[in-house]
Parts: sequence; C-alpha cells; structure tokens
Amino acid sequence: GDSVTQMEGPVTLSEEAFLTINCTYTATGYPSLFWYVQYPGEGLQLLLKATKADDKGSNKGFEATYRKETTSFHLEKGSVQVSDSAVYFCALRGGSNYKLTFGKGTLLTVNP
Amino acid sequence: GAGVSQSPSNKVTEKGKDVELRCDPISGHTALYWYRQSLGQGLEFLIYFQGNSAPDKSGLPSDRFSAERTGGSVSTLTIQRTQQEDSAVYLCASSLGAVGLNTGELFFGEGSRLTVL
Repeated sequence: GDSVTQMEGPVTLSEEAFLTINCTYTATGYPSLFWYVQYPGEGLQLLLKATKADDKGSNKGFEATYRKETTSFHLEKGSVQVSDSAVYFCALRGGSNYKLTFGKGTLLTVNP
Repeated sequence: GAGVSQSPSNKVTEKGKDVELRCDPISGHTALYWYRQSLGQGLEFLIYFQGNSAPDKSGLPSDRFSAERTGGSVSTLTIQRTQQEDSAVYLCASSLGAVGLNTGELFFGEGSRLTVL
C-alpha cells in the first residue's frame, strides 16, 4: 500500500539557517504529493503540492520538487524564521484518489 | 462557521466509558475525513464520508469505533468501551469533494484530544 517516510525530528535551527526535511514515498501509479504544516494551536493546513514528476511546489519561501526517480519530495527553505516553527507533514494521494496518506510529521523549532 | 469545528477540544475519560467526538465541517464541503494523530505515529486515516455515505471505513481500528454523518454536514465519531491505547488527537477534515477531484486540499479542525485513564 501507499506509505510516506519523512525524517524524524525534532529539528532545531537558528534563524536564517537553511532547512531540509526529507520525504520519500511508496505508491502505485503516479501519486500527487503534498506538504502540510501544523502551527502551534492550529489545524493542519496545506503548504504546497506537486501533481506530476519534476513539478516544483512553492509557497511562503518553501519549495519541494517531485522526484520520481528517487521517489522523493524533500522540503527546503533557504532562510527560516522563528515563525516557521511548526510540525511539517509530507503526504501523498495515491491509488485511492479520495484520501491522503501522511508521514509521521517533523517538528521544527527555529530559535532567534 | 469559517472553518472546521471540533468538540470537545479535550476529553478525559475512564477506561471502559463511551465517548462521542463531533465535527462540524465547512459549509458546502461534501467530503469529510477522520484521522487519528498518536504520538510518534503520524496521521492515521480512519474513515471517509462522501455526503452521508462512508465508502471507506477501512481505517477504523476495531468494532468499538463507529462514525456517522447526518444531513451531509455534522459527523460524530463514537468510541465504545474506551481503552488506554485509544488516547490520541482525533482530527476531522473536510473538502469540497474527494481529494482526487479537487486540489487535494483538506481543511482540518484543531482536533479533539482524548485521554483515557
């Protein structure tokens, strides 16, 4: 079945540092890939997505590129801010096109 | 309301008691999902509703778990004879249609934290 594996946290960075959160997946067919973010005290919200190979999703300075050859969708940001502190979830929509399969989440803490 | 609303936000119960968790989706959203978020386990899919029907309830962990949706709107997740391993945050999400038919964006509530003593 479909599965998502993302790097375990927690990840602690200083402001303006470079961020990478790794995500790899297993799925049949051609899944769509997503990153969701959960800020403290809030519900999960969509951060970015990519629907086909080599697509790059981007939002709020975050980027992720759909790599079919490595089955990966790593999240990157060039310069993190304290306000980026949150839990980040990688997800895919695979063969069953009505639900998302999520990874375990990665807690990011950015210190001033 | 403007977003997905869940209640209660926190529930502490004793082992063996029944609990009901409520989800009020965004108005007009036909698809509704329940997920469970346990420490270290990520988000576990429980059940999907399209309208009042549940085409996929394969994620419900046992027959102690059930869910219904009425009027194509409010949904209730019921856990009977709660066990300590049921302790988790139960998340509800809604979308305009099944994720395969739209952008893939689910709108999540803040969750109901269940603690079983």
